[in-house]
Amino acid sequence: KNQVEQSPQSLIILEGKNCTLQCNYTVSPFSNLRWYKQDTGRGPVSLTIMTFSENTKSNGRYTATLDADTKQSSLHITASQLSDSASYICVVRVEYGNKLVFGAGTILRVKS
Amino acid sequence: NAGVTQTPKFQVLKTGQSMTLQCAQDMNHEYMSWYRQDPGMGLRLIHYSVGAGITDQGEVPNGYNVSRSTTEDFPLRLLSAAPSQTSVYFCASSGSGKPQHFGDGTRLSIL
Repeated sequence: KNQVEQSPQSLIILEGKNCTLQCNYTVSPFSNLRWYKQDTGRGPVSLTIMTFSENTKSNGRYTATLDADTKQSSLHITASQLSDSASYICVVRVEYGNKLVFGAGTILRVKS
Repeated sequence: NAGVTQTPKFQVLKTGQSMTLQCAQDMNHEYMSWYRQDPGMGLRLIHYSVGAGITDQGEVPNGYNVSRSTTEDFPLRLLSAAPSQTSVYFCASSGSGKPQHFGDGTRLSIL
């Protein structure tokens, strides 16, 4: 069964600190992996997208990594800001058929 | 630059009522989809469309209908609302192979 699991479910960090969110997947055949940020009361917004051959992709203070062998991805946030408080969703696309498998998300709260 | 626009933002219905959630996009995207988001779960696909006149069922289609008469619009109809349909509904659109653009959602409560 195609599944995406994210950890932790929630996380609280102090402003200025770094953090790493995890995503494990059992999706096959794999096409690409995306990280989205969802602010409270808003729709998800794409942060990064990585294909099988890409190990890392950055978007400002966000850096995503992908290990296709172990089927794991991480999202690292550097020097966190209050505006980083949001839910971060890992999404894996299945090759053929345009199917997306969504993780339940990690809720991040950055406090001052 | 509107992107994906969903209306209404909030709605309360009684069991058995019907209603239509509206979704419009101005990016000329062929692919559009509807999801529901429930606490502790990932987004689940209800229906999707790969172009005007073409729709197909997703993971949780029961109780919902869609149509795609134009590229821009993709309304979602609840035929007879049930409390289990209380959720946040998101519409999304995308170009071929590109990340999806999501609307800001419709928060629906069924009493």
